Amino acid sequence: QVQLVQSGSEVKTPGAAVKISCKASGYSFRNYAMNWVRQAPGQGLEWMGWINTDTGNPTYGQDFTGRFVFSLDWSGTTAYLQINDLKAADTAVYRCAREGLDSYIDYWGQGTLISVSS
Amino acid sequence: SYELTQPPSVSVPPGQAARITCSGDALPKKYVYWYQQKSGQTPVVVIYQDSKRPSEIPERFSGSSSGTVASLTISGARVEDEAVYYCYSSDTNGHRVFGGGTKLTVL
Repeated sequence: QVQLVQSGSEVKTPGAAVKISCKASGYSFRNYAMNWVRQAPGQGLEWMGWINTDTGNPTYGQDFTGRFVFSLDWSGTTAYLQINDLKAADTAVYRCAREGLDSYIDYWGQGTLISVSS
Repeated sequence: SYELTQPPSVSVPPGQAARITCSGDALPKKYVYWYQQKSGQTPVVVIYQDSKRPSEIPERFSGSSSGTVASLTISGARVEDEAVYYCYSSDTNGHRVFGGGTKLTVL
C-alpha cells in the first residue's frame, strides 16, 4: 500500500535551518510528482510547490521562493523539504503529498510540525 | 497571485443539504478538487475532476462546476460530515492553489 512517512517534529530558533524527509513506499516513486503543503496552526492549507520525481525539477509557489528547497534522494525514494533562515511565521505542519495520475493529491504524509521560537 | 474564494463557514441542520462554493477566474479551464479535513487529521479527497466521487466516499457528496464557480453539495448532511472543506485547483501556469477553506457545521 502507498505510504508517505515523514520525519519527526522539530523545534528551531529563528535563523536556523531544518530539513524534513518524506519516505515513499508502495508505488513507483519516479512516476508521481511530490507536492509540499503547509498548514499553520488553526489556518488553511497552502500549496508550497512540487518536485518532479523523475527529473528533480522543482516548482515553487509564489510565497515559497528563496528560503525553501525541494530535493530528492536519487538512490532511494525520499523527498526532502529544507527551510533556511527560519522565522516564527514558519511555525506550521508541513506535509508531503503525492500527486496521482488524475492530477490531484491522493496520498498524504502524516505531517511534520516545525516550531520556531526564540 | 491566483486565488480561490470560499465562504468561511456554512451551517445546516442534520438531514438538510449543504452547499459550499468556490470561485476562481481559471475554473472554466481547470478542474476543481474538494478535500475534507476533520480536526487533527490529514485531508481526504471527496470530489475530483469537478464531479467525480472516489468509490469510498458516500453518495451524498457531489460536485459541479459552471463558469467561474464550483460547488460541493452534501445531500442530507450528517454530524460526521462536520469538517473544513477546501477546494483545490490550478492557475493557467500550472501552479496549484487551495481555497481558504469552509467550516461546515451540522447542528
